[in-house]
Amino acid sequence: AQSVSQHNHHVILSEAASLELGCNYSYGGTVNLFWYVQYPGQHLQLLLKYFSGDPLVKGIKGFEAEFIKSKFSFNLRKPSVQWSDTAEYFCAVIRGGYNKLIFGAGTRLAVHP
Amino acid sequence: EAGVAQSPRYKIIEKRQSVAFWCNPISGHATLYWYQQILGQGPKLLIQFQNNGVVDDSQLPKDRFSAERLKGVDSTLKIQPAKLEDSAVYLCASSLLAGLTDTQYFGPGTRLTVL
Repeated sequence: AQSVSQHNHHVILSEAASLELGCNYSYGGTVNLFWYVQYPGQHLQLLLKYFSGDPLVKGIKGFEAEFIKSKFSFNLRKPSVQWSDTAEYFCAVIRGGYNKLIFGAGTRLAVHP
Repeated sequence: EAGVAQSPRYKIIEKRQSVAFWCNPISGHATLYWYQQILGQGPKLLIQFQNNGVVDDSQLPKDRFSAERLKGVDSTLKIQPAKLEDSAVYLCASSLLAGLTDTQYFGPGTRLTVL
């Protein structure tokens, strides 16, 4: 069973539309949560991360994500997407005590002008 | 600050041949990771080094894959002999330390095609 699930493999939006990408994980206990982004032709880079504290975390380029422990979820949001947000987005988890990033399968986002 | 460097960027080989990939992490980063990313999947950790010691190689297919990090700086990953299912992008990443809060920085990857 996949340990990190990203529900949408492909998402197509128009500019200015709102974005929400789902991420669920199957581990109990303490987790550290990440969203990485890969723009076309570029390498993976960190978008935002959650370790503890406020479950609503803000990242670069206007992205934010909310950790809901009861739902084992860490969904990524942006209120208004731009063409430049076209990329592949990966959710990842580190389980407490295990320093190993477990990635989801990724979501390809295409934003049309 | 220079990022993680990898070479080659692309490699095409036939099955049963050997191949090697090279990674130079960010200067001063003690921890180095090799990931395999098969098309349509997220990256999967193959091996993690802390300086020149192996921390985790539980998902490395040791019958054909090997990796080393001599002197605790750059690293090589080798496949010998390659199989068709090894076609993937091989990503190298590094982090300052191995703590759970240390950000991993990724290189551009090497795209391997096995024919």
